[in-house]
Amino acid sequence: ETGVTQTPRHLVMGMTNKKSLKCEQHLGHNAMYWYKQSAKKPLELMFVYNFKEQTENNSVPSRFSPECPNSSHLFLHLHTLQPEDSALYLCASSQNAGYNEQFFGPGTRLTVL
Amino acid sequence: AQSVTQPDIHITVSEGASLELRCNYSYGATPYLFWYVQSPGQGLQLLLKYFSGDTLVQGIKGFEAEFKRSQSSFNLRKPSVHWSDAAEYFCAVGAEYGNKLVFGAGTILRVKS
Repeated sequence: ETGVTQTPRHLVMGMTNKKSLKCEQHLGHNAMYWYKQSAKKPLELMFVYNFKEQTENNSVPSRFSPECPNSSHLFLHLHTLQPEDSALYLCASSQNAGYNEQFFGPGTRLTVL
Repeated sequence: AQSVTQPDIHITVSEGASLELRCNYSYGATPYLFWYVQSPGQGLQLLLKYFSGDTLVQGIKGFEAEFKRSQSSFNLRKPSVHWSDAAEYFCAVGAEYGNKLVFGAGTILRVKS
């Protein structure tokens, strides 16, 4: 039980679709993160939110749009994706932005056709 | 900026044998160091962490790691590997202040019976 849940676990979408990934943390943390994990590449940090404010955007294309309505929920809105965006998308949370220990969700396996 | 190198992409050990996974980091100040494990299709689970103090750190599942500042290393060890330890292992380094973790490329551990 990681305390961080992600839905859906698997998603297949076409390049013209719009979909959203959801992350929820039950740990009382204030910072949340989106990572992209592609085959044979290191984990890539995408976005960081601290107390609902975005503090980092790691040069992510605009077809990925994050939303953090409160400290417990994080969304990643997807539109007009490319096949190379197929990957495992991991959500994580930590106590706050200055505390490095991060707890990860199980991820959403995204396939873009 | 910090960086992490895991020199071994794959390692195969026999069940019951000892294990050492290598991790070298680059960071100018005192690092925060982590080892995570990822089973297929799952998120990352924290095995252990080093923030300060005793350089030999004990973690879950019988793992330990030793911080060696002179060698910029944080190698993960286990005295006797079990088949259930087969997974991918990631070393990560964090700055003393700030929330950004930098991950290594990972080492895939295979356990043969």
